[in-house]
Amino acid sequence: DAMVIQNPRYQVTQFGKPVTLSCSQTLNHNVMYWYQQKSSQAPKLLFHYYDKDFNNEADTPDNFQSRRPNTSFCFLDIRSPGLGDAAMYLCATTSLRGYNEQFFGPGTRLTVL
Amino acid sequence: DAKTTQPNSMESNEEEPVHLPCNHSTISGTDYIHWYRQLPSQGPEYVIHGLTSNVNNRMASLAIAEDRKSSTLILHRATLRDAAVYYCILRDAINDMRFGAGTRLTVKP
Repeated sequence: DAMVIQNPRYQVTQFGKPVTLSCSQTLNHNVMYWYQQKSSQAPKLLFHYYDKDFNNEADTPDNFQSRRPNTSFCFLDIRSPGLGDAAMYLCATTSLRGYNEQFFGPGTRLTVL
Repeated sequence: DAKTTQPNSMESNEEEPVHLPCNHSTISGTDYIHWYRQLPSQGPEYVIHGLTSNVNNRMASLAIAEDRKSSTLILHRATLRDAAVYYCILRDAINDMRFGAGTRLTVKP
């Protein structure tokens, strides 16, 4: 029944060591989002894909990159994680931007040592 | 982006109704009012949304003021599983969803 799957659920990396988080969806939605949620804060939008069209939020650091090789999968790459990047990373999908419901995955909690 | 204002926290007793308010005085005519909630250690989940008329679904009801400058999410009988952070978000067809601080709901047995 899983619709938006995030792997792994928990990821530990070292300061400066590149890390990749993955998201897959079974809904065939054409829009996929990545959010960052730090402890006790609201989710913050990092970027999204509308089909293959990538849209970066203006304040998303260059350290964060994303890839979407096909409709089902989307990856978040953190090139050089810092201690401040420790957070929950949430993937979400929707069929159309704007009015439609977003479906969220359970998140990947990233720890940076 | 039109912003929303919600109380930081609210408490409710189990099996009693809960009214979660949201102010959005700068709402535009094309903004829909969406509510999501986030249970502990989970991703947010959709609750309900509306434009002008009140809306009901299996989870909740949404009451929208006539001038659309405020709305209220109504949980008719709160359960312990409803304890979560509730987010009121304005969305239009162009802009993406941006979360405010939300209201942390505590449900007491």
